[in-house]
Amino acid sequence: GENVEQHPSTLSVQEGDSAVIKCTYSDSASNYFPWYKQELGKRPQLIIDIRSNVGEKKDQRIAVTLNKTAKHFSLHITETQPEDSAVYFCAASISFQKLVFGTGTRLLVSP
Amino acid sequence: GAVVSQHPSRVICKSGTSVKIECRSLDFQATTMFWYRQFPKQSLMLMATSNEGSKATYEQGVEKDKFLINHASLTLSTLTVTSAHPEDSSFYICSARDSSGVADTQYFGPGTRLTVL
Repeated sequence: GENVEQHPSTLSVQEGDSAVIKCTYSDSASNYFPWYKQELGKRPQLIIDIRSNVGEKKDQRIAVTLNKTAKHFSLHITETQPEDSAVYFCAASISFQKLVFGTGTRLLVSP
Repeated sequence: GAVVSQHPSRVICKSGTSVKIECRSLDFQATTMFWYRQFPKQSLMLMATSNEGSKATYEQGVEKDKFLINHASLTLSTLTVTSAHPEDSSFYICSARDSSGVADTQYFGPGTRLTVL
């Protein structure tokens, strides 16, 4: 089955810096890659997603890139703000079916 | 975005009792819902896929007789933890798949924190 690895497990940045979180997946059939932000005790919130027919997608300060050949995708957050502090999860799915999540990255943005 | 509710938000029960958790899609019909479990400081682990009108599909290692799933309507799925034990204490989160529009997306419920004494 699908296996998703995520790095780093923790990431500390200064406000205004950029943050990059990377994930790799194992199943070449996966074609949908969402990213979720989860605050303590809350539900995961979809922040951006990308489908396998696209190499890059951007939404304001957030961007995701996908390299199908290497089977990895990355989340880029620019101009980080303290409210970006949370746990971020990547996930992979085949045709929008069950999501296999990465292990999570705890992002801390210091003022 | 679409709204998914979960009830109860938290429950404390004694060991050996059964607990039912409801997951509802409030503004769309969900033929497929998913149940996840999340232990503290860990990722979400899929327990089972719930399909309306048919039996749930359980992930490897998840006991189907212990975690009963019913998806009787297009807006409601329930997870019953039978004979709960302290090791079942966890954060249970459902998601509902909305495939009605251009974007096929899963929306998560707010989660249910189960504590088994």
